[in-house]
Amino acid sequence: RKEVEQDPGPFNVPEGATVAFNCTYSNSASQSFFWYRQDCRKEPKLLMSVYSSGNEDGRFTAQLNRASQYISLLIRDSKLSDSATYLCVVNDADSNYQLIWGAGTKLIIKP
Amino acid sequence: GAVVSQHPSRVICKSGTSVKIECRSLDFQATTMFWYRQFPKQSLMLMATSNEGSKATYEQGVEKDKFLINHASLTLSTLTVTSAHPEDSSFYICSAARSFVAGNEQFFGPGTRLTVL
Repeated sequence: RKEVEQDPGPFNVPEGATVAFNCTYSNSASQSFFWYRQDCRKEPKLLMSVYSSGNEDGRFTAQLNRASQYISLLIRDSKLSDSATYLCVVNDADSNYQLIWGAGTKLIIKP
Repeated sequence: GAVVSQHPSRVICKSGTSVKIECRSLDFQATTMFWYRQFPKQSLMLMATSNEGSKATYEQGVEKDKFLINHASLTLSTLTVTSAHPEDSSFYICSAARSFVAGNEQFFGPGTRLTVL
């Protein structure tokens, strides 16, 4: 079974700190990668896609390492509102439109 | 744009009843809709993939006779949980994609929380 693995956490981080999540995936043929954010009892929302060259969106930076098959998400200057579960998502290389979800990493930002 | 609605948002029912959940893409046509289930503290698990006008493709371990999916139009898919039991209590989320394009973004509905007594 293809897998996407994440550290479940929780990560308890003081406000203003930088936090990094990693995610590994097993299928080297996967081509699309995403980070989703899910608040408690809510649906997941796309945070950012992950491109081969790495990409940044404000305080968030995503990177892809194909050789090692891992994806990272860096959050700088963390805010209380960043508290959520962050889900690593990889497309199923054998079925372009299906997504394989990691179990998520819970982040708790403390004042 | 790309809004997906789900109805109802929450349902509580007695064991043995059937529950229908609707998923609608409000401002785009969804070639494909997906149904997920999420148990507490677990990740989303894909139940089935639904293409407009054809039968749904179910993931291994998901009973197609228990979870009936209908995708009659490009903007509406329904999931019916038949003869629901307490173990079916979960958070059901649908998503919609515009096309089969690889890596195409899926837009998620707000989810339906089902509690079976």
